[in-house]
Amino acid sequence: GAGVSQSPSNKVTEKGKDVELRCDPISGHTALYWYRQSLGQGLEFLIYFQGNSAPDKSGLPSDRFSAERTGGSVSTLTIQRTQQEDSAVYLCASSFRTGADTQYFGPGTRLTVL
Amino acid sequence: AQRVTQPEKLLSVFKGAPVELKCNYSYSGSPELFWYVQYSRQRLQLLLRHISRESIKGFTADLNKGETSFHLKKPFAQEEDSAMYYCALHSGSARQLTFGSGTQLTVLP
Repeated sequence: GAGVSQSPSNKVTEKGKDVELRCDPISGHTALYWYRQSLGQGLEFLIYFQGNSAPDKSGLPSDRFSAERTGGSVSTLTIQRTQQEDSAVYLCASSFRTGADTQYFGPGTRLTVL
Repeated sequence: AQRVTQPEKLLSVFKGAPVELKCNYSYSGSPELFWYVQYSRQRLQLLLRHISRESIKGFTADLNKGETSFHLKKPFAQEEDSAMYYCALHSGSARQLTFGSGTQLTVLP
């Protein structure tokens, strides 16, 4: 079946603009994760959704970042008033149930803030 | 809080040489450890997990609770092993994985 998909694949924006990144998880996976991959910084956890539970937002770097997951499926990560330091690859992953289950990653969205 | 440390950002070895990618973790309980790999222009994917005790693509990793380590090893590196490798930890109290900063492995011909 189809894997995790993300859109857009590339996004170039100007400092101060808002951006929305989309993630379509694997059907049937109840857990969904957002990560940020920066050069030299590795993989930084942002937010985790599990079923109908309240999301774990502990990794969001500032209140400019938010995410939602509608209908337990598609998720959108929104960055308001983008800054140059937000430039990175944003990865989405899904797993069957928990963080201990194999996570399947999407191809990522490369965000460039000019 | 749990933490994963990969001390080497870059590692180069020659084809046919042994390779070891280091991973240390801090967690007081019983963790689950994983290695994820990202080949060039491919998605990040699971390589192996310690509870499976299996060898994938010739790689093995043993959890050493005394040294809190989970080093990834392969006796004879191949050029196709060149990739970014991430060590990750899952603890019972967390709902997500904690990843290390990654090691870029280059296998030279």
